[in-house]
Amino acid sequence: DAGVTQSPTHLIKTRGQQVTLRCSPKSGHDTVSWYQQALGQGPQFIFQYYEEEERQRGNFPDRFSGHQFPNYSSELNVNALLLGDSALYLCASRPAGTGGRRWKKYFGPGTRLLVL
Amino acid sequence: AQKITQTQPGMFVQEKEAVTLDCTYDTSDQSYGLFWYKQPSSGEMIFLIYQGSYDEQNATEGRYSLNFQKARKSANLVISASQLGDSAMYFCAMREGFGNQFYFGTGTSLTVIP
Repeated sequence: DAGVTQSPTHLIKTRGQQVTLRCSPKSGHDTVSWYQQALGQGPQFIFQYYEEEERQRGNFPDRFSGHQFPNYSSELNVNALLLGDSALYLCASRPAGTGGRRWKKYFGPGTRLLVL
Repeated sequence: AQKITQTQPGMFVQEKEAVTLDCTYDTSDQSYGLFWYKQPSSGEMIFLIYQGSYDEQNATEGRYSLNFQKARKSANLVISASQLGDSAMYFCAMREGFGNQFYFGTGTSLTVIP
């Protein structure tokens, strides 16, 4: 059973460019969230998608946008890249259904983005 | 105020010994969940253990146990019989109410010494 997968693993962009990161959730999972982890920090919540809609958003500007597809996979788009966007971007998925275990998030290996 | 506070930037433990990683949290919600994740240098966050605010027993998962003290708002992780492979960053996280957002602490770097 494959876990959460993300692509690409590494990415280098220049200021002002746009980037798209991709995530495939674990089998049986229907909710995907994205986190940004700056060097030496804990992950910060960007937003969460469920049923192809953004359900909750953290304190991130509109330059950060996303999408969820019918197969539950998701994309994170960042426009007008800034140097400060350099970070590890983590995708996490949650199981479908109800119950206590539904709160457990499974994380992917992340995409390391470097903005020059 | 910080939702999750981890006051130990770095910890060292001898192999086969037990170690406690500290975590305090701040919330006014009655319903919340507390999580610990391990992050090796590869970057992936690995789930270790979960404690719900209404759970009466402390959570345990193999060598991991969570020392949940609700009145003190602390949720310390105890790793028994440390192994070299336990060397990694450890993050405490919280979910409030029925929200989807996880709040993470700044992490503790654990080094297991042979």
